[in-house]
Amino acid sequence: EVQLVQSGAEVKKPGESLKISCKGSGYSFTSYWIGWVRQMPGKGLEWMGIIYPGDSDTRYSPSFQGQVTISADKSISTAYLQWSSLKASDTAMYYCARHSSSPRPEIDYWGQGTLVTVSS
Amino acid sequence: DVVMTQSPLSLPVTLGQPASISCRSSQSLVYSDGNTYLNWFQQRPGQSPRRLIYKVSNRDSGVPDRFSGSGSGTDFTLKISRVEAEDVGVYYCMQGTHWPLTFGQGTKVEIK
Repeated sequence: EVQLVQSGAEVKKPGESLKISCKGSGYSFTSYWIGWVRQMPGKGLEWMGIIYPGDSDTRYSPSFQGQVTISADKSISTAYLQWSSLKASDTAMYYCARHSSSPRPEIDYWGQGTLVTVSS
Repeated sequence: DVVMTQSPLSLPVTLGQPASISCRSSQSLVYSDGNTYLNWFQQRPGQSPRRLIYKVSNRDSGVPDRFSGSGSGTDFTLKISRVEAEDVGVYYCMQGTHWPLTFGQGTKVEIK
């Protein structure tokens, strides 16, 4: 059974750094893209970017390029989303999502979500 | 970016009646391999999204057959043949043909 298990909720102050995680199991972690989707409070879904753990190929939405970093550690089947300096506007639910690998990435499984709250 | 435009944004429906959601893309979603990478997702209140339909019209495992997807090129539709109480939530289309991947704004389905 494919499972994506995300790290727990976070409360941070503006300017702090943060790294959240998503551990995949039940499939070959290096054979699928894995990525992140943002959902701000009461709003829709926004695709942020993905990484292919097999070769670390990473693609970002222009809206998020330079704002976050997506990485993965294939030795522990875990993907990460990190910020170097959080803003209040980063407050949102963040979902990790597995994407099929070829020929085009399509989301097929989702994590349970990680709520990030940034407040002074 | 490819813009995905859904309508309506709010859809009150009567139990047992059909419902239809439209999704239009700003560019053709036909990929060079001949496939069209248009998916539909359901997000029930308080839950993670789940995929219902992939490549326009293919239902995922476990999805009731009252859900169906259709369309081509830039114009797509999700239909629910007879709405049930468990169908309440927000429905999103998403394209995977072009970088970056993009979602529609979402359509909120509620019971009248």
